[in-house]
Amino acid sequence: AQTVTQSQPEMSVQEAETVTLSCTYDTSESDYYLFWYKQPPSRQMILVIRQEAYKQQNATENRFSVNFQKAAKSFSLKISDSQLGDAAMYFCAYSKASGTYKYIFGTGTRLKVLA
Amino acid sequence: NAGVMQNPRHLVRRRGQEARLRCSPMKGHSHVYWYRQLPEEGLKFMVYLQKENIIDESGMPKERFSAEFPKEGPSILRIQQVVRGDSAAYFCASSPVLAARDYEQYFGPGTRLTVT
Repeated sequence: AQTVTQSQPEMSVQEAETVTLSCTYDTSESDYYLFWYKQPPSRQMILVIRQEAYKQQNATENRFSVNFQKAAKSFSLKISDSQLGDAAMYFCAYSKASGTYKYIFGTGTRLKVLA
Repeated sequence: NAGVMQNPRHLVRRRGQEARLRCSPMKGHSHVYWYRQLPEEGLKFMVYLQKENIIDESGMPKERFSAEFPKEGPSILRIQQVVRGDSAAYFCASSPVLAARDYEQYFGPGTRLTVT
Protein backbone atom coordinates (compact mmCIF):
# COMPACT_ATOMS: atom_id res chain seq x y z
CA ALA A 1 0.00 0.00 0.00
CA GLN A 2 1.14 3.50 -0.72
CA THR A 3 2.03 5.81 2.17
CA VAL A 4 2.99 9.46 2.52
CA THR A 5 5.07 10.72 5.42
CA GLN A 6 5.60 14.29 6.57
CA SER A 7 8.03 14.17 9.48
CA GLN A 8 7.86 17.86 10.43
CA PRO A 9 4.66 18.63 12.36
CA GLU A 10 5.59 22.30 12.55
CA MET A 11 8.08 24.66 10.93
CA SER A 12 8.84 28.35 11.38
CA VAL A 13 10.42 30.81 8.96
CA GLN A 14 11.24 34.49 9.07
CA GLU A 15 9.46 36.67 6.59
CA ALA A 16 11.43 36.95 3.32
CA GLU A 17 13.49 33.87 4.15
CA THR A 18 13.39 30.42 2.54
CA VAL A 19 11.96 27.27 4.08
CA THR A 20 11.82 23.65 2.93
CA LEU A 21 9.08 21.22 3.89
CA SER A 22 9.85 17.51 3.67
CA CYS A 23 7.76 14.69 2.27
CA THR A 24 8.62 11.07 1.60
CA TYR A 25 6.39 8.44 0.09
CA ASP A 26 6.37 4.75 -0.56
CA THR A 27 5.05 3.13 -3.72
CA SER A 28 5.87 0.35 -6.12
CA GLU A 29 4.28 2.24 -9.01
CA SER A 30 6.36 3.89 -11.71
CA ASP A 31 3.75 6.40 -12.85
CA TYR A 32 2.08 8.65 -10.34
CA TYR A 33 1.43 12.24 -9.32
CA LEU A 34 2.62 14.18 -6.30
CA PHE A 35 1.02 17.33 -4.96
CA TRP A 36 1.48 19.97 -2.32
CA TYR A 37 -1.71 21.52 -0.94
CA LYS A 38 -2.02 24.53 1.32
CA GLN A 39 -4.80 24.67 3.90
CA PRO A 40 -5.22 28.08 5.55
CA PRO A 41 -7.49 28.59 8.58
CA SER A 42 -10.47 28.77 6.21
CA ARG A 43 -9.83 25.02 5.60
CA GLN A 44 -10.04 25.45 1.82
CA MET A 45 -7.61 23.08 0.10
CA ILE A 46 -5.49 25.06 -2.35
CA LEU A 47 -3.21 23.36 -4.83
CA VAL A 48 0.30 24.79 -4.57
CA ILE A 49 2.22 22.64 -7.01
CA ARG A 50 1.97 19.35 -8.90
CA GLN A 51 4.65 16.96 -10.16
CA GLU A 52 4.23 14.10 -12.61
CA ALA A 53 6.58 11.23 -11.78
CA TYR A 54 7.62 10.70 -15.38
CA LYS A 55 8.98 14.24 -15.59
CA GLN A 56 12.62 14.65 -14.64
CA GLN A 57 12.36 18.41 -14.27
CA ASN A 58 11.30 19.77 -10.91
CA ALA A 59 8.05 21.75 -10.96
CA THR A 60 8.07 25.44 -10.06
CA GLU A 61 5.28 27.93 -9.47
CA ASN A 62 6.53 31.43 -8.74
CA ARG A 63 8.04 31.32 -5.21
CA PHE A 64 7.26 27.62 -4.81
CA SER A 65 9.45 24.84 -6.14
CA VAL A 66 9.95 21.17 -5.45
CA ASN A 67 12.93 18.88 -5.17
CA PHE A 68 11.68 15.58 -6.60
CA GLN A 69 14.03 12.68 -6.00
CA LYS A 70 12.29 9.67 -7.54
CA ALA A 71 14.82 7.04 -6.50
CA ALA A 72 14.80 8.28 -2.93
CA LYS A 73 10.99 8.73 -3.00
CA SER A 74 11.34 12.24 -1.70
CA PHE A 75 9.29 15.30 -2.65
CA SER A 76 10.19 18.43 -0.71
CA LEU A 77 8.63 21.87 -1.12
CA LYS A 78 10.75 25.01 -1.06
CA ILE A 79 9.11 28.34 -0.38
CA SER A 80 11.28 31.33 -1.23
CA ASP A 81 10.80 34.88 0.00
CA SER A 82 8.25 33.71 2.57
CA GLN A 83 5.27 35.94 3.14
CA LEU A 84 2.85 36.23 6.06
CA GLY A 85 0.14 34.82 3.81
CA ASP A 86 2.08 31.59 3.42
CA ALA A 87 1.27 30.65 7.01
CA ALA A 88 -0.94 27.55 6.81
CA MET A 89 -0.99 23.76 7.02
CA TYR A 90 0.77 22.15 4.08
CA PHE A 91 -0.14 18.66 2.95
CA CYS A 92 1.79 16.43 0.62
CA ALA A 93 -0.36 14.04 -1.43
CA TYR A 94 0.18 11.10 -3.77
CA SER A 95 -2.01 9.64 -6.50
CA LYS A 96 -1.45 6.64 -8.71
CA ALA A 97 -1.75 7.49 -12.41
CA SER A 98 -4.16 4.60 -12.88
CA GLY A 99 -7.19 3.07 -11.23
CA THR A 100 -9.23 5.47 -9.13
CA TYR A 101 -6.64 8.25 -8.81
CA LYS A 102 -7.61 8.71 -5.17
CA TYR A 103 -5.28 10.88 -3.12
CA ILE A 104 -3.22 9.68 -0.18
CA PHE A 105 -2.28 12.55 2.10
CA GLY A 106 0.47 13.04 4.64
CA THR A 107 -0.30 14.29 8.13
CA GLY A 108 0.67 17.84 7.32
CA THR A 109 3.19 20.46 8.38
CA ARG A 110 2.06 23.64 10.08
CA LEU A 111 4.09 26.56 8.74
CA LYS A 112 4.44 29.70 10.84
CA VAL A 113 5.81 32.86 9.26
CA LEU A 114 7.44 35.27 11.69
CA ALA A 115 7.38 39.00 11.00
CA ASN B 1 -17.17 28.51 -13.88
CA ALA B 2 -18.29 27.87 -10.32
CA GLY B 3 -16.04 25.68 -8.23
CA VAL B 4 -17.00 22.62 -6.25
CA MET B 5 -19.85 23.50 -3.93
CA GLN B 6 -20.61 21.86 -0.64
CA ASN B 7 -23.48 22.48 1.70
CA PRO B 8 -24.05 23.00 4.43
CA ARG B 9 -20.72 24.53 5.46
CA HIS B 10 -21.43 23.78 9.09
CA LEU B 11 -23.73 21.11 10.45
CA VAL B 12 -24.53 20.36 14.06
CA ARG B 13 -26.22 17.09 14.94
CA ARG B 14 -27.06 15.39 18.20
CA ARG B 15 -25.89 11.86 18.76
CA GLY B 16 -28.20 9.41 17.01
CA GLN B 17 -29.39 11.83 14.34
CA GLU B 18 -28.67 11.61 10.63
CA ALA B 19 -26.30 13.89 8.73
CA ARG B 20 -26.59 14.57 5.01
CA LEU B 21 -23.73 16.33 3.27
CA ARG B 22 -24.09 17.55 -0.29
CA CYS B 23 -21.53 18.12 -2.99
CA SER B 24 -22.03 19.65 -6.42
CA PRO B 25 -18.99 19.00 -8.61
CA MET B 26 -17.61 21.50 -11.06
CA LYS B 27 -19.49 21.70 -14.34
CA GLY B 28 -18.39 18.93 -16.66
CA HIS B 29 -16.83 16.84 -13.88
CA SER B 30 -18.16 13.31 -13.54
CA HIS B 31 -15.78 11.97 -10.89
CA VAL B 32 -16.44 12.73 -7.23
CA TYR B 33 -14.31 11.89 -4.19
CA TRP B 34 -15.12 12.27 -0.52
CA TYR B 35 -12.42 12.73 2.12
CA ARG B 36 -12.62 13.10 5.88
CA GLN B 37 -10.32 15.21 8.00
CA LEU B 38 -10.35 14.49 11.72
CA PRO B 39 -9.08 17.27 14.01
CA GLU B 40 -5.34 17.85 13.66
CA GLU B 41 -5.00 15.16 10.98
CA GLY B 42 -4.62 14.91 7.22
CA LEU B 43 -7.40 14.08 4.81
CA LYS B 44 -8.34 10.44 4.44
CA PHE B 45 -10.02 9.00 1.36
CA MET B 46 -13.52 7.65 1.91
CA VAL B 47 -15.23 6.94 -1.39
CA TYR B 48 -14.99 7.55 -5.14
CA LEU B 49 -18.09 7.78 -7.29
CA GLN B 50 -19.07 8.33 -10.87
CA LYS B 51 -22.60 9.11 -11.95
CA GLU B 52 -24.89 6.40 -10.51
CA ASN B 53 -21.94 4.20 -9.56
CA ILE B 54 -19.80 3.69 -6.49
CA ILE B 55 -16.39 2.78 -7.84
CA ASP B 56 -14.26 2.54 -4.71
CA GLU B 57 -15.58 2.67 -1.14
CA SER B 58 -12.54 1.15 0.50
CA GLY B 59 -12.21 4.10 2.91
CA MET B 60 -15.80 4.12 4.10
CA PRO B 61 -16.64 2.81 7.58
CA LYS B 62 -18.58 -0.42 7.23
CA GLU B 63 -21.65 0.78 9.07
CA ARG B 64 -23.74 3.96 9.15
CA PHE B 65 -22.01 5.63 6.19
CA SER B 66 -23.28 5.65 2.62
CA ALA B 67 -22.74 7.74 -0.49
CA GLU B 68 -24.48 8.29 -3.78
CA PHE B 69 -24.06 10.33 -6.93
CA PRO B 70 -27.34 10.22 -8.83
CA LYS B 71 -27.81 10.93 -12.51
CA GLU B 72 -29.26 14.31 -11.61
CA GLY B 73 -28.33 16.40 -8.60
CA PRO B 74 -25.48 16.52 -6.14
CA SER B 75 -23.52 13.74 -4.58
CA ILE B 76 -24.70 12.93 -1.05
CA LEU B 77 -22.69 11.56 1.86
CA ARG B 78 -25.05 10.21 4.48
CA ILE B 79 -24.15 9.35 8.05
CA GLN B 80 -26.80 7.60 10.08
CA GLN B 81 -26.97 7.59 13.88
CA VAL B 82 -24.03 9.95 14.24
CA VAL B 83 -21.60 9.58 17.13
CA ARG B 84 -19.11 12.07 18.61
CA GLY B 85 -16.28 10.42 16.68
CA ASP B 86 -17.93 11.46 13.41
CA SER B 87 -17.14 15.10 14.19
CA ALA B 88 -14.78 16.14 11.41
CA ALA B 89 -14.46 18.18 8.24
CA TYR B 90 -15.74 16.36 5.18
CA PHE B 91 -14.33 17.42 1.84
CA CYS B 92 -15.61 16.69 -1.61
CA ALA B 93 -13.39 16.86 -4.67
CA SER B 94 -14.15 16.46 -8.35
CA SER B 95 -12.17 15.86 -11.51
CA PRO B 96 -13.06 15.90 -15.20
CA VAL B 97 -11.13 12.94 -16.57
CA LEU B 98 -8.68 10.56 -14.99
CA ALA B 99 -6.02 9.83 -17.56
CA ALA B 100 -4.99 13.42 -18.11
CA ARG B 101 -1.41 14.47 -17.87
CA ASP B 102 -2.39 17.53 -15.89
CA TYR B 103 -4.56 15.51 -13.53
CA GLU B 104 -5.88 17.32 -10.52
CA GLN B 105 -8.77 17.08 -8.11
CA TYR B 106 -10.62 20.29 -7.29
CA PHE B 107 -11.72 20.58 -3.69
CA GLY B 108 -14.82 22.11 -2.22
CA PRO B 109 -14.70 24.25 0.95
CA GLY B 110 -15.70 21.34 3.15
CA THR B 111 -18.54 20.67 5.58
CA ARG B 112 -17.68 20.83 9.23
CA LEU B 113 -19.80 18.33 11.15
CA THR B 114 -20.11 18.70 14.90
CA VAL B 115 -21.86 16.00 16.89
CA THR B 116 -23.05 17.06 20.33
